[in-house]
Amino acid sequence: KAGVTQTPRYLIKTRGQQVTLSCSPISGHRSVSWYQQTPGQGLQFLFEYFSETQRNKGNFPGRFSGRQFSNSRSEMNVSTLELGDSALYLCASSPTRGGGRTDTQYFGPGTRLTVL
Amino acid sequence: AQSVAQPEDQVNVAEGNPLTVKCTYSVSGNPYLFWYVQYPNRGLQFLLKYITGDNLVKGSYGFEAEFNKSQTSFHLKKPSALVSDSALYFCAVRDQSPEAGTASKLTFGTGTRLQVTL
Repeated sequence: KAGVTQTPRYLIKTRGQQVTLSCSPISGHRSVSWYQQTPGQGLQFLFEYFSETQRNKGNFPGRFSGRQFSNSRSEMNVSTLELGDSALYLCASSPTRGGGRTDTQYFGPGTRLTVL
Repeated sequence: AQSVAQPEDQVNVAEGNPLTVKCTYSVSGNPYLFWYVQYPNRGLQFLLKYITGDNLVKGSYGFEAEFNKSQTSFHLKKPSALVSDSALYFCAVRDQSPEAGTASKLTFGTGTRLQVTL
């Protein structure tokens, strides 16, 4: 099976712009979660989607949003970019069979966003 | 709220020696614990997880982890380190979401950089 794929892998934007990142989960996986990784804050949870519905949200401003499509692919959007949004954005998928708590989340390679 | 602590920013070990990367956790219910590894410019790779059962969990690439409930620890171990094991290691705990059927968020530690030298 193909792993989690994320596009694009690298992105350079300027302050004030907006950006959309894409994530395709492992085939058959229905849950997608997004995380932000920075040197200062480490790995922080952004949000989780399951069956096209946001199920959980981390402590991020409303500029960060996401959605999930019927094929489980997910996008996240960041509007009005700030310098502090520069980070590695990781997507993870999970099968959610038999109760999500015990499932393993499998991560994609990430999208490296640089805001100038 | 769940939390995970990785007390060492870096662990140095010689190739062929055993390695241990430490992790302690704090949860209000049953702990669901995970270890991931990250190589430069890569995402996180799953190594192993503890859900229930045996306290010694075996995972990928020869890694194992020991769950200790009384010490609230979940240390990652490998009997013989390789230079190729040099990477950033993250311990994580699964959030205790009341809603079954959905994957809930992982709370990560700050990471431990493992440096294996010849």
